[in-house]
Amino acid sequence: AAGVIQSPRHLIKEKRETATLKCYPIPRHDTVYWYQQGPGQDPQFLISFYEKMQSDKGSIPDRFSAQQFSDYHSELNMSSLELGDSALYFCASSLRGSSYNSPLHFGNGTRLTVT
Amino acid sequence: AQSVTQLDSHVSVSEGTPVLLRCNYSSSYSPSLFWYVQHPNKGLQLLLKYTSAATLVKGINGFEAEFKKSETSFHLTKPSAHMSDAAEYFCVAPGRGANNLFFGTGTRLTVIP
Repeated sequence: AAGVIQSPRHLIKEKRETATLKCYPIPRHDTVYWYQQGPGQDPQFLISFYEKMQSDKGSIPDRFSAQQFSDYHSELNMSSLELGDSALYFCASSLRGSSYNSPLHFGNGTRLTVT
Repeated sequence: AQSVTQLDSHVSVSEGTPVLLRCNYSSSYSPSLFWYVQHPNKGLQLLLKYTSAATLVKGINGFEAEFKKSETSFHLTKPSAHMSDAAEYFCVAPGRGANNLFFGTGTRLTVIP
C-alpha cells in the first residue's frame, strides 16, 4: 500500500539559508500534518492543513511557512535557518481532517542538519 | 483537552519475556488514544488505537492495550518480546480541535538477547 512520501530524506544547510521540505500524502487523504522531532525529543506539532486550508497551528516559528496544494501535497518552507532547527521533520496524513477516528500515517521524515 | 503521561522513559526486558509500557491519560471526557512505535531514523507507525468501541484493543506485531477508565490508564503490553520490538514507543492523544496529535514523552524499549 502507498505510504506518505517525504523528500528529501536528508538535507544539510548552513545558517541563514532556506530549505523546502515536501510531503506527498497517502492517496485520497485530505489532511496533512507537520511535526518536528529534535534529538531525543518527542514529536512536536507544527501545523496542519485540511482541504488545502490551514486547519491548526502549533509551535511553528514565524520563519517557517507551509501550504497544501491542489494535489494535496504539502511543502514546509523554512527561512533564516538556525542551528536549533536541526531535527527530523515528519509529515503525516489522514482522511477527513480529524485525528480522532482517522489515525495519522507518518512518512519516514526528512532529517535537516543546519551547520 | 487531553494529555498523556508515559511513566517510564526506558524499559529493558529480556527476549521472550512480557512487555509492559505504561501510559496514563487525563481527559474530561471519553478519550481517543493511540500507541505509535518509532524505530531508529524511521517514521512513526501506528500500533493500535482506542476509540471507545472496545476496552481491549489488539494491534499489530502482537501488541495490545487495555483502556481502564477507573485507573485512567492505557498500558501497552506484549506477552513475549522479540528483538525487533526494540524501539521508541509513544502514547498519543488527539490535541485541541482534534486536528493534530500530542505525544507522550516516549518510552525506549530495549530487548536483551
